[in-house]
Order: sequence, then structure tokens, then C-alpha cells
Amino acid sequence: AQKVTQAQTEISVVEKEDVTLDCVYETRDTTYYLFWYKQPPSGELVFLIRRNSFDEQNEISGRYSWNFQKSTSSFNFTITASQVVDSAVYFCALRRETSGSRLTFGEGTQLTVNP
Amino acid sequence: EPEVTQTPSHQVTQMGQEVILRCVPISNHLYFYWYRQILGQKVEFLVSFYNNEISEKSEIFDDQFSVERPDGSNFTLKIRSTKLEDSAMYFCASTPTATHSSFGAFFGQGTRLTVV
Repeated sequence: AQKVTQAQTEISVVEKEDVTLDCVYETRDTTYYLFWYKQPPSGELVFLIRRNSFDEQNEISGRYSWNFQKSTSSFNFTITASQVVDSAVYFCALRRETSGSRLTFGEGTQLTVNP
Repeated sequence: EPEVTQTPSHQVTQMGQEVILRCVPISNHLYFYWYRQILGQKVEFLVSFYNNEISEKSEIFDDQFSVERPDGSNFTLKIRSTKLEDSAMYFCASTPTATHSSFGAFFGQGTRLTVV
């Protein structure tokens, strides 16, 4: 069975602070994919990043960066210099390598960035 | 940019009524999904559909639910006799071919179902 844990239910920061969202996963598969999605107050799910299990290179995209550590089964997400528009619920998700496999989501972390 | 389209965006129905949620997946995608998100909770998988049949379903997807691809473009989720606990946001998603199996799902904007 696959499981994703986002232990931080809510995080509140002041604008321009850096913030890290934690994600820990469980899977018996040796090959899998990890994802982060953003859900703004409007409700849609916005894809942020995909990471293959065999690629542990960290990735940076603008103010976003991701730290994947297979040894600790973690895939953490950092927002640098947070902005009010970053306020949203962020979901970490896991899926098997097999085509058409389901996404298993974590509980989500509500990030509030205050001006 | 191609997108998954869901209609309606919000539906209110009385308990016991049947509802059909509609989705138009991205045109060259082959795998289709429905997910559910009860307010304030995580996104949960309901069912996946490939080659005109269900490929996987969760324990949530009981006999009250059914899916159909009635034509070449639409993908529907039917709830036969709605219950209060069916109130949730329902997301449709699609993914491309096997050669792009690493892709995550492309999600629609969701249909908020309210059962009263």
C-alpha cells in the first residue's frame, strides 16, 4: 500500500519569509513518481512538479525548490521569499510507475502568507 | 493549452436523487479518472478508466457509482441515489499514453456537489 504524510496541517508566515513544506511517503515500489500540487482558494488543483524516484537531483524553479531524499523517503518543498499569492493548500502525491496508476495524496498543508 | 473541462461547476441536489457529473478529458489522453475531495480533507481516488472499462476502483466507489464514456469525448460519473455524505468536490483527470507514463494527472477545475 502507498501512503503520503504531510505532518504540517497549517503553516502561517509573514511575507518574504522562507517556508518549507514537509512530505514523507511510503511505498514498496522501487520506481515511482512524486508530485506537488497547489490548491488555491478557488479550488482547482495546479500541478507544480513531478519527480522520478531514480532522480534525486534537487530542483529549483524560481522561488520554488524541491529536496528529494530517497534514503529518508522525503520530498520537501521550499518557497523562498514567500508572497501573499502563495497562500493555498499544498498537496504532495505519489503514484506507481505503471501507466494509469492512481495518485495517492497526502492530507495537505494549508499555507497562509500574511502581509 | 489543452485542458480538462468539467460541467457543471456547482450542482445542488436533493438526497436520493441521481446526479451525473460530466467531464471532457484532453483529446489525445487515454486514461481517465475521478477523484473526490470532501471539504477540508485530502483528495481521494475513486476510479480509473481505460480502453472503455474500469481499470481500478477504490473502496469508496461502491454500487452507487458508475462511470461511462458515452461518446468519443465525454467521461461521466453517475451517482444513483445521492447521500448527504456525497457532498464534495469531484475532480476529473486524464493522463496521456503509456509512452508518457511519468506524467501526473491533468485535473479539471472540479464540480462542487452539494446534497441537501
